[in-house]
Amino acid sequence: DVKVTQSSRYLVKRTGEKVFLECVQDMDHENMFWYRQDPGLGLRLIYFSYDVKMKEKGDIPEGYSVSREKKERFSLILESASTNQTSMYLCASSIPGYNEQFFGPGTRLTVL
Amino acid sequence: EDQVTQSPEALRLQEGESSSLNCSYTVSGLRGLFWYRQDPGKGPEFLFTLYSAGEEKEKERLKATLTKKESFLHITAPKPEDSATYLCAVPPSNSGYALNFGKGTSLLVTP
Repeated sequence: DVKVTQSSRYLVKRTGEKVFLECVQDMDHENMFWYRQDPGLGLRLIYFSYDVKMKEKGDIPEGYSVSREKKERFSLILESASTNQTSMYLCASSIPGYNEQFFGPGTRLTVL
Repeated sequence: EDQVTQSPEALRLQEGESSSLNCSYTVSGLRGLFWYRQDPGKGPEFLFTLYSAGEEKEKERLKATLTKKESFLHITAPKPEDSATYLCAVPPSNSGYALNFGKGTSLLVTP
């Protein structure tokens, strides 16, 4: 079974802090994704990566950056956290040419 | 513009009361329609992929069907453990990798 893990289930940070969210998958998937999920807005794509060191912006990249130095690991970085970034963050992975995505358990981030 | 719309937003059923959830989509060149189940506080769990109109897939009490404009998730004789949010998603017209998700239908099945 594919396993996608995220470094924290719950995280509380202060406004202005730099925040790192880590995601690791164990199935050698090329594609990895970061979404945020908010009530009434659904899942929205922040960034995705289709190979090591490759990244593309999703629908809402502002205020976020990403890093993919190894195939299995995809990091989401909030350079200066703000209260409007309080959300559930979900990581997913998939193989090329096949859009089925496998999700991690999510990180619920609260920015105070 | 690509769109994925799910209805109803919320559905409450008695145990054993069958019903259907709807997912309508507009996209140029459908490359699959995906159904996921999401339990509170957890990540979405993959259920089905449908690729062409007329295709059907089943899993336990769930059956997904696809037409050229929409998909239905039929729930037959649901049980309380089927309570969850059900999400559908399609790949956008301009990207080979991502998925556009609907906002989901929150299903509650009461004993």
